[in-house]
Amino acid sequence: SQQGEEDPQALSIQEGENATMNCSYKTSINNLQWYRQNSGRGLVHLILIRSNEREKHSGRLRVTLDTSKKSSSLLITASRAADTASYFCATAFMNRDDKIIFGKGTRLHILP
Amino acid sequence: EAEVAQSPRYKITEKSQAVAFWCDPISGHATLYWYRQILGQGPELLVQFQDESVVDDSQLPKDRFSAERLKGVDSTLKIQPAELGDSAMYLCASSPFRDRSYGYTFGSGTRLTVV
Repeated sequence: SQQGEEDPQALSIQEGENATMNCSYKTSINNLQWYRQNSGRGLVHLILIRSNEREKHSGRLRVTLDTSKKSSSLLITASRAADTASYFCATAFMNRDDKIIFGKGTRLHILP
Repeated sequence: EAEVAQSPRYKITEKSQAVAFWCDPISGHATLYWYRQILGQGPELLVQFQDESVVDDSQLPKDRFSAERLKGVDSTLKIQPAELGDSAMYLCASSPFRDRSYGYTFGSGTRLTVV
C-alpha cells in the first residue's frame, strides 16, 4: 500500500508531557498533511508541509519532514486533555494526480 | 467559522434498504469529496466533484452507490441496497482548490449502522 503509516498505533501520556507521532511512506510526495479527529467527529486539518520544507510550526504543534527517510513526525508540546484524539497523516503522492491518501492513525490519550 | 454541514448524524438501516446522506459544503467551495471511514481506519475517498461534475469515482462501488451534485452546491450520496459491510462513518469534505493535494474541511460525518 502507498498510504502513510503512523507509529505508534496508540499512545497514552500524562497531561503536560510532549507527544510525538510518526508517519512513514514509500514513494515520493508533493506534500504531507496532519489531521486530528475527535471521537465520532470529522477530521480537522492541522498542518501541511511541502516536500521542500523540513519543519513547520503552528501553536503547540511542530511537524518535521525528512524526505530522504520518507518520514514525518508530529510533536504536540505541553499536552492537554483536549488533545485526546486520533491523528492521521495524509500524503499527496507524486504521479497520482495529487490524490491524498490517509494512514490508519495514531490514537492519542492524554491522562489527567 | 464556516462549516461543512452533513445530515443525518446517525442512521440505522436494515440490510437491503436504501439510505441517503446529504452534504452542504462551505459556500464557494467548488470541490467536494465523499469519504468512507471504517472504524479504526483512515478515510478512503469514494467520489470527488468539481462543481457539478464527477472527476474521480474510481473507488465508488457503482453497483450500489451513487452520488450527485446537481447544481454544484450540495450533494447526496446514496446506497441501495445497503449491506452489513457498509457500516461506517461517511464524511463529506470541501475545498476551494481544484488541486486536491491541499487541505480539506470536513463535516462531522454520518455514522451508518446496517443491521
